[in-house]
Amino acid sequence: DGGITQSPKYLFRKEGQNVTLSCEQNLNHDAMYWYRQDPGQGLRLIYYSQIVNDFQKGDIAEGYSVSREKKESFPLTVTSAQKNPTAFYLCASSGFSTGSTEAFFGQGTRLTVV
Amino acid sequence: SQKIEQNSEALNIQEGKTATLTCNYTNYSPAYLQWYRQDPGRGPVFLLLIRENEKEKRKERLKVTFDTTLKQSLFHITASQPADSATYLCALLNTGGFKTIFGAGTRLFVKA
Repeated sequence: DGGITQSPKYLFRKEGQNVTLSCEQNLNHDAMYWYRQDPGQGLRLIYYSQIVNDFQKGDIAEGYSVSREKKESFPLTVTSAQKNPTAFYLCASSGFSTGSTEAFFGQGTRLTVV
Repeated sequence: SQKIEQNSEALNIQEGKTATLTCNYTNYSPAYLQWYRQDPGRGPVFLLLIRENEKEKRKERLKVTFDTTLKQSLFHITASQPADSATYLCALLNTGGFKTIFGAGTRLFVKA
């Protein structure tokens, strides 16, 4: 079954902690993305990666970091520098480099600061 | 700055009627416009894409129009069903396609 998998589904973080959200895809897509969704707002782009070992900041990258060591994987770390991390995080991939613009999303990780 | 506006108020319609959702944008010249469906607590699912040189696209009960002069897209669901109840997101892409901009979405409720 081809798809994109995010884990965990729910995550609780204490103040001052770093946490890492997992995103794995087996669609053979070159491009991967992280978005943040807050109630009543559109999806905001945090980071994106077009190829392995390369990634670019999106519109709200401060307080986040990513890596792209493998084509299949694009983990997101929410650092203690992110002042308001409670949100719904969505990972997506697309085969845009092969002409497809459709984005495939994971099921999301809901992060809560406690 | 680039901006996408979708009706923030929920749309309530009766089963069997046509639902029409609006997407307006400013300060952007997209090469593509997409519509996604999102159910509560889940990731969006792609529905339709329309290109800047296309006026209308259809897929089963779905129809999308794209007016680049008005900077507006309309999304229609004909013969609506309760199962169509969800949030519908509009998204714009430039020719590079890597910085997709999403609207906040419009919540649709279809009553039986």
